[in-house]
Amino acid sequence: TQLLEQSPQFLSIQEGENLTVYCNSSSVFSSLQWYRQEPGEGPVLLVTVVTGGEVKKLKRLTFQFGDARKDSSLHITAAQPGDTGLYLCAGYRDDKIIFGKGTRLHILP
Amino acid sequence: DTGVSQDPRHKITKRGQNVTFRCDPISEHNRLYWYRQTLGQGPEFLTYFQNEAQLEKSRLLSDRFSAERPKGSFSTLEIQRTEQGDSAMYLCASSHQGGSGNTIYFGEGSWLTVV
Repeated sequence: TQLLEQSPQFLSIQEGENLTVYCNSSSVFSSLQWYRQEPGEGPVLLVTVVTGGEVKKLKRLTFQFGDARKDSSLHITAAQPGDTGLYLCAGYRDDKIIFGKGTRLHILP
Repeated sequence: DTGVSQDPRHKITKRGQNVTFRCDPISEHNRLYWYRQTLGQGPEFLTYFQNEAQLEKSRLLSDRFSAERPKGSFSTLEIQRTEQGDSAMYLCASSHQGGSGNTIYFGEGSWLTVV
């Protein structure tokens, strides 16, 4: 059983479109992180959210932590080909982070 | 560069051979983690250290795997008698306990291919 479920698993959209990726769990996390990973590289941290209901913005990326700290979303506005990659959510619990399987995003030029 | 560094980045080995990976964490980070990632999956937790103490090991870490962090700085992950199923990317990460949001930073990973 996957502790963190990400949806969709794959997403291919045209440049300029908006998209939202979801990360859901039945468990509460003290914090939740979003990473982006390129092929053959390690995950690179995008953001950490700590407070329930928290919203953080990183240029065209908007991250939200659910009020109950069980879920999160990543919204990308006007997607660019450079946004292509694997987006991983990870929850901090019991002194370690647990990852979802990721959402593979492909932005078509 | 003061990030997490891993060595080697790529390793091809024959089945049955032993391999060792090294991780140098971010300076002054007291926690160090090892994860394994296979194609199409997110990273899976293997083990972690606080300073030199190994505090938790996943059931994924069979008795052929051993990790050490002898001086509380760098760490090694050794795989003995490698099997084809060990082929994966091995990721090291570090954090500072009590840091903002429990943020964990990853290295670039060490790719293992067992042939």
